[in-house]
Amino acid sequence: DGGITQSPKYLFRKEGQNVTLSCEQNLNHDAMYWYRQDPGQGLRLIYYSQIVNDFQKGDIAEGYSVSREKKESFPLTVTSAQKNPTAFYLCASSPLPGTETYEQYFGPGTRLTVT
Amino acid sequence: LAKTTQPISMDSYEGQEVNITCSHNNIATNDYITWYQQFPSQGPRFIIQGYKTKVTNEVASLFIPADRKSSTLSLPRVSLSDTAVYYCLVGDLSSGSARQLTFGSGTQLTVLP
Repeated sequence: DGGITQSPKYLFRKEGQNVTLSCEQNLNHDAMYWYRQDPGQGLRLIYYSQIVNDFQKGDIAEGYSVSREKKESFPLTVTSAQKNPTAFYLCASSPLPGTETYEQYFGPGTRLTVT
Repeated sequence: LAKTTQPISMDSYEGQEVNITCSHNNIATNDYITWYQQFPSQGPRFIIQGYKTKVTNEVASLFIPADRKSSTLSLPRVSLSDTAVYYCLVGDLSSGSARQLTFGSGTQLTVLP
């Protein structure tokens, strides 16, 4: 059963702590993405990666870090430098653009609450 | 990246056809138009994608006029379960770069009984 898994679904942390969100895909996709969604808002791109050991900043990368050591995995670390980390975090994967139908597949999301 | 404009919200009744229009005046030659659906606390789901004229699949149709400055997502005979946020995205899918899609605020569709 192919898809994207994110864990945990809910995460609670104290201010000042780093936290790592997991994202795994078994779709054999080259590209992976991390988005942040705030209530009533659209998705904003944090980081993306097109190939192992390479990743690019998105629109709101400050306070976040990622790694791409394996094609299947793209974990996101929310650092203490992120001013407003409480949000819904979505991971996605896709084949690289250039195919006739380009579709991003999304995971179920992780809701992070920092107090 | 081409900017998109959609209505913030729309209401409809069960069984009706719903048309959601998206404006993208500065769409570029290589840009495709893609629509996603998102339910609360879930990731978006791909609905349909097109470049010009009309595209139809089992859940929706996408109408794109000749000038491509707008597009309309058509949902036939909606049900309560179609209540969701619908996003219109425009991006270049030919470049090989993954950094091509921007999600706006979307349109909240509410289907009433």
